[in-house]
Amino acid sequence: AQKVTQAQTEISVVEKEDVTLDCVYETRDTTYYLFWYKQPPSGELVFLIRRNSFDEQNEISGRYSWNFQKSTSSFNFTITASQVVDSAVYFCALTGYSGGSNYKLTFGKGTLLTVNP
Amino acid sequence: DAGVIQSPRHEVTEMGQEVTLRCKPISGHDYLFWYRQTMMRGLELLIYFNNNVPIDDSGMPEDRFSAKMPNASFSTLKIQPSEPRDSAVYFCASGGPERYTQYFGPGTRLTVL
Repeated sequence: AQKVTQAQTEISVVEKEDVTLDCVYETRDTTYYLFWYKQPPSGELVFLIRRNSFDEQNEISGRYSWNFQKSTSSFNFTITASQVVDSAVYFCALTGYSGGSNYKLTFGKGTLLTVNP
Repeated sequence: DAGVIQSPRHEVTEMGQEVTLRCKPISGHDYLFWYRQTMMRGLELLIYFNNNVPIDDSGMPEDRFSAKMPNASFSTLKIQPSEPRDSAVYFCASGGPERYTQYFGPGTRLTVL
């Protein structure tokens, strides 16, 4: 069975602070994909990044960066110089080759990030 | 390009009524997913289709829920009869060439009184 744990339920920071959202996953699959989604107060789910299990390179996109470490089964997300618009619930998710249902996403419970001005 | 389109955005109905939620996936995507989001249970996959064929409906809560995909550009999720515990946000998502990435619609907020 697959599992995604986001231990931080809520994080509150002041604008311009850096913040890291943690994600730990469990899977028996050797090939799998990890994702981060953002859900702002308006409610939609916005895709941020996909990473496959063979690519452990860290990725940076503007103020966002992701650190994938297979050794610790973690896929952490860092926002540098946070802004009020970053306030949202962030979900980590996992899918893998499990019995052919390799499109089934397993979501973590999400981390509510509040960035205060 | 248009994203996933869902209608209605909000639905308020009374217990016992039939509810139909609609979804138009991104053109060219061959996977379609229905999710439900509640505070208690988080995001749950209800059912998904590949090339209009249901692949896995193990998440459908009970026989009151049914989903169809008559063609590549349209899907419905029907609840009959509706109950207050069905109140949730229902998301439709589609996936295509970018392997395993799902793109979500804006959701339908359903309230059953």
